[in-house]
Amino acid sequence: DIVMTQSPDSLAVSLGERATVNCKSSQSVLHSSNNKNYLAWYQQKPGQPPKLLIYWASTRESGVPDRFSGSGSGTDFTLTISSLQAEDVAVYYCQQYYHTLGPPTFGQGTKVEIK
Amino acid sequence: EVQLVESGGGLVQPGGSLRLSCVASGFSFSNYWMDWVRQAPGKGPEWVANIKEDGSDKYYADSVKGRFTISRDNAKNSLFLQMDTLRAEDTAVYYCARDPGYGGPFFDYWGQGSLVTVSS
Repeated sequence: DIVMTQSPDSLAVSLGERATVNCKSSQSVLHSSNNKNYLAWYQQKPGQPPKLLIYWASTRESGVPDRFSGSGSGTDFTLTISSLQAEDVAVYYCQQYYHTLGPPTFGQGTKVEIK
Repeated sequence: EVQLVESGGGLVQPGGSLRLSCVASGFSFSNYWMDWVRQAPGKGPEWVANIKEDGSDKYYADSVKGRFTISRDNAKNSLFLQMDTLRAEDTAVYYCARDPGYGGPFFDYWGQGSLVTVSS
């Protein structure tokens, strides 16, 4: 199975500042046939299910604020919150869905807090 | 509005069984792959199983293969997870989730979850 490793485990950022979450996969999730990265990002607030933010590594889900962006390719990916808002306090997870390499797998999560 | 509502969780002894249900509304249920994803306390989500639109294909995580069975009833917009021979490590919140069908599985809608506790 592909192992997803996120860094850092937690970070504290001032309101209005940039927050960056990293995700590394143990194998490339870039599919050569369509040049797509099979990588999604989710936000989870306490007591709630995860919420899809981004798929194909950089495509924002409908309704997600544009301060959230995803980048990266192959094995290294980044979720950026350009200007942290109070409502962005949450745990963020990456997930690969390169199905021909086994089951979908998630990272361990990164907790984002206000400094 | 898309809604997924799980039920059937609870406390069960090791070796016991439970059946989870998920009722879907707000979309054409029979047109989507559906999944179960679980999350143990303080951990990241773990994919459990999924089922094709018509129920003809099913896939399982190695950790549950041979013990869990996923099924669906498209006439009742319902998804099920039969869990047998439960173990302590199966303790988690179980989510019903929709795969939008873009080439995933990833999950664009999740239920609120159903807590399963396996303990003596």
